[in-house]
Amino acid sequence: TQLLEQSPQFLSIQEGENLTVYCNSSSVFSSLQWYRQEPGEGPVLLVTVVTGGEVKKLKRLTFQFGDARKDSSLHITAAQPGDTGLYLCAGAHSNDYKLSFGAGTTVTVRA
Amino acid sequence: NAGVTQTPKFQVLKTGQSMTLQCAQDMNHEYMSWYRQDPGMGLRLIHYSVGAGITDQGEVPNGYNVSRSTTEDFPLRLLSAAPSQTSVYFCASSPNLYRDTYNSPLHFGNGTRLTVT
Repeated sequence: TQLLEQSPQFLSIQEGENLTVYCNSSSVFSSLQWYRQEPGEGPVLLVTVVTGGEVKKLKRLTFQFGDARKDSSLHITAAQPGDTGLYLCAGAHSNDYKLSFGAGTTVTVRA
Repeated sequence: NAGVTQTPKFQVLKTGQSMTLQCAQDMNHEYMSWYRQDPGMGLRLIHYSVGAGITDQGEVPNGYNVSRSTTEDFPLRLLSAAPSQTSVYFCASSPNLYRDTYNSPLHFGNGTRLTVT
């Protein structure tokens, strides 16, 4: 059983559309990270959120940490083919040396 | 800086064979870890190390051994490979994940794709 549940598992949209990826857990995290992974490569960090209710923007990507620090969302506005990839969320607990990853959402943006 | 370097990139083993996956980082990171990635299951932590001479088990440690004799290197050993160990393996490092997750993202290598027949 995954500690972090991501939904949807797959998402295919047309260029210019918006999309939202969700990351949910019953556990409270001290921080949550979002990574993007392209085929044949390792994941690369996009953002870290630490405060309940925190919203961070990275160009067309908006990340939100839930008020209770149990869930997070990633919203992409006007998606482009370059946004295609596997998006992974990862949660950390204070005084813990481990990051727990969700199973990921595969996003495909069609030109 | 090369970052995190993993070798080999691809490997095929027969059941029962042993091998070592190599991982090296040149960023002087204290924290290093090994994950395996399987379809639909995300990344699962195998072993991790918070510094030279210190290692600990993650979520799925069975069948794998690690050691950390230097800050730079963190090899993963499969003593007797099994088909269930067919996976993509990622090594990742961080400046000090255990002290400051916010300022310590994981830096991943590009993975080793292992097939056990």
